[in-house]
Amino acid sequence: SYVLTQPPSVSVAPGNTASITCGGDNIASKSVHWYQQKPGQAPVLVIYYDTDRPSGIPERISGSNFGNTATLTISRVEVGDEADYYCQVWDSSSESVLFGGGTKLIVL
Amino acid sequence: QVQLRESGPRLLKPSETLSLTCTVSGASIKTFYWSWIRQAPGKGLEWIGYIYDSGTTNYNPSLRSRVTISVDTTKSQVSLNLTSVTAADTAVYFCARAYGIAVAGLRFDNWGQGARATVSS
Repeated sequence: SYVLTQPPSVSVAPGNTASITCGGDNIASKSVHWYQQKPGQAPVLVIYYDTDRPSGIPERISGSNFGNTATLTISRVEVGDEADYYCQVWDSSSESVLFGGGTKLIVL
Repeated sequence: QVQLRESGPRLLKPSETLSLTCTVSGASIKTFYWSWIRQAPGKGLEWIGYIYDSGTTNYNPSLRSRVTISVDTTKSQVSLNLTSVTAADTAVYFCARAYGIAVAGLRFDNWGQGARATVSS
């Protein structure tokens, strides 16, 4: 079955750029969506269809999807960006929604 | 503005059935995909299943034998039934609206606040 692989954590200093990866076999052939989840809250969609931002999501949050890796990039990181981030795809072979294991973004 | 609110009994014993209801406002329940997603304590997100067109369902293969999702269009509610629960089913259960041009593009653009269900003897 299809597997999405995310690093457990990524650390970044405020003002720098954070990159969170989501690995999967030929993931570029799939649409990847990203969610931000802060403690005790429901997830929030931050990127859909690899690169699109829902209204209200700042432009410093962006996405890309090439080859076997999709990437969520957060520029000019703020303390308020500290959260768990999840990637999500549709797996046509199992006809299921799949989530990555999640990455905790730590703002130092 | 779309709002989703989960409700239902939160404390269960092993082998009981978990029943949760999601009340939807601000969107037509007949138009979108409606999904349940859960998150065990300290763990990641797990998709449970979805319903659309007021009756067509699709479930996570790992839960398919125990899950039923249904819709009451008159009450604008989406319901989840999970049978034969064990401690491994202890989690926060989220109701979410799924949106996409096709199923391959489904993403969850509106979420409820979640309902914590605990299974304990």
